[in-house]
Amino acid sequence: DIVMTQTPLSSPVTLGQPASISCRSSQSLVHGDGNTYLSWIQQRPGQPPRLLIYKISNRYSGVPDRFSGSGAGTDFTLKISRVEAEDVGVYYCMQAKQFPHTFGQGTKLEIK
Amino acid sequence: EVQLLESGGGLVQPGGSLRLSCAASGFTFGSYAMSWVRQAPGKGLEWVSIIYSGGSSTYYADSVKGRFTISRDNSRNTVYLQMDSLRAEDTAIYYCAKAPLRSGDCYCFDYWGQGTLVTVSS
Repeated sequence: DIVMTQTPLSSPVTLGQPASISCRSSQSLVHGDGNTYLSWIQQRPGQPPRLLIYKISNRYSGVPDRFSGSGAGTDFTLKISRVEAEDVGVYYCMQAKQFPHTFGQGTKLEIK
Repeated sequence: EVQLLESGGGLVQPGGSLRLSCAASGFTFGSYAMSWVRQAPGKGLEWVSIIYSGGSSTYYADSVKGRFTISRDNSRNTVYLQMDSLRAEDTAIYYCAKAPLRSGDCYCFDYWGQGTLVTVSS
């Protein structure tokens, strides 16, 4: 199975400041079709998960442009350019290169 | 508007069975794979199972293989999760998710339901 490791597990951030979450996979996420199936998911408190980013850097419909994804191979990053109060929650990376699909442990974003 | 509505959760004794349903609307259900993802209380997300659009291909996490069965009824726009031989560690919120997995798709979970709580306890 592909293991997804996120850092940090907790990230206190000041409103208006940037935030960054890293995700590392135990093997390359490059699929045989040439795509890299790494997505980022947000879960606000008491809410179901919500897709933010797919295929490393594609923002899903309705996602604010302060969210961006980058990376390649085994190392990926989610960045929030200016954190807002509504961004509080837990963020997960997920690989869909192969089954079982696996998630990172989650990074809790909180406001200082 | 895409909607996924899970049902069937509840309290069940260890060793018991439960069948979850996820009713979908707002998209061409028969064209998409559907997945179940669970979240134990206070824990992270765990992928459980997936079924491709035609229903012939299914995959499971090792933790549920041989005990859970995923199925779908494209005429009813519904995906199911039959859970047998339930254990305390299966206690979780179970979410169904739409999973575009065709060539050119996102290979992601682009819509999620609100979830249904399964509690396995005596």
